Amino acid sequence: LAKTTQPISMDSYEGQEVNITCSHNNIATNDYITWYQQFPSQGPRFIIQGYKTKVTNEVASLFIPADRKSSTLSLPRVSLSDTAVYYCLVGDMGSQGNLIFGKGTKLSVKP
Amino acid sequence: DAGVTQSPTHLIKTRGQQVTLRCSPKSGHDTVSWYQQALGQGPQFIFQYYEEEERQRGNFPDRFSGHQFPNYSSELNVNALLLGDSALYLCASSFIRGRLGTEAFFGQGTRLTVV
Repeated sequence: LAKTTQPISMDSYEGQEVNITCSHNNIATNDYITWYQQFPSQGPRFIIQGYKTKVTNEVASLFIPADRKSSTLSLPRVSLSDTAVYYCLVGDMGSQGNLIFGKGTKLSVKP
Repeated sequence: DAGVTQSPTHLIKTRGQQVTLRCSPKSGHDTVSWYQQALGQGPQFIFQYYEEEERQRGNFPDRFSGHQFPNYSSELNVNALLLGDSALYLCASSFIRGRLGTEAFFGQGTRLTVV
């Protein structure tokens, strides 16, 4: 499974757009990119998943360039409740049970 | 529709004891995976159960064992507890269609403290 690198922490203010970038230089052809959100003392929650170009859902957008060596999670107009740790994971669809988590990015949203 | 449920939510055990944690997967899911999350770290994969068999295993000693029942629920057993086993234990369920798996849904976790 490809290793990922993402910033340890980020700060933002309410109402701003937040972009968290993840590097995955060794991504394989069959790998998907998945982002999870985790609040303290809770399990991670699936946010979004993509393979290439752009994916958007009601919560976030995921931008993946053509070489797929990085990806950017975009959270529009964050609120205080978006304060959490965000994890970027890379793996094939068959590895959904064997997820490799790094330390994630701790996002702090301030009023 | 109930999501992934884990029990108990908190547990305190003494070094050397044994512990059993339980997980009920999300309705419709057939695969259960267990993770250990130490404070300030990301979850670490322990093992995965599918069709009542251990299918994948992470880098954890044999003190960690598990079981999956016909109703897809699962147990995680840890023997000879060490202080370093203190962590949040997470259960995740998914549905595997052939070689493909759906995204994993996590439970709230069991906070295990070993004293």
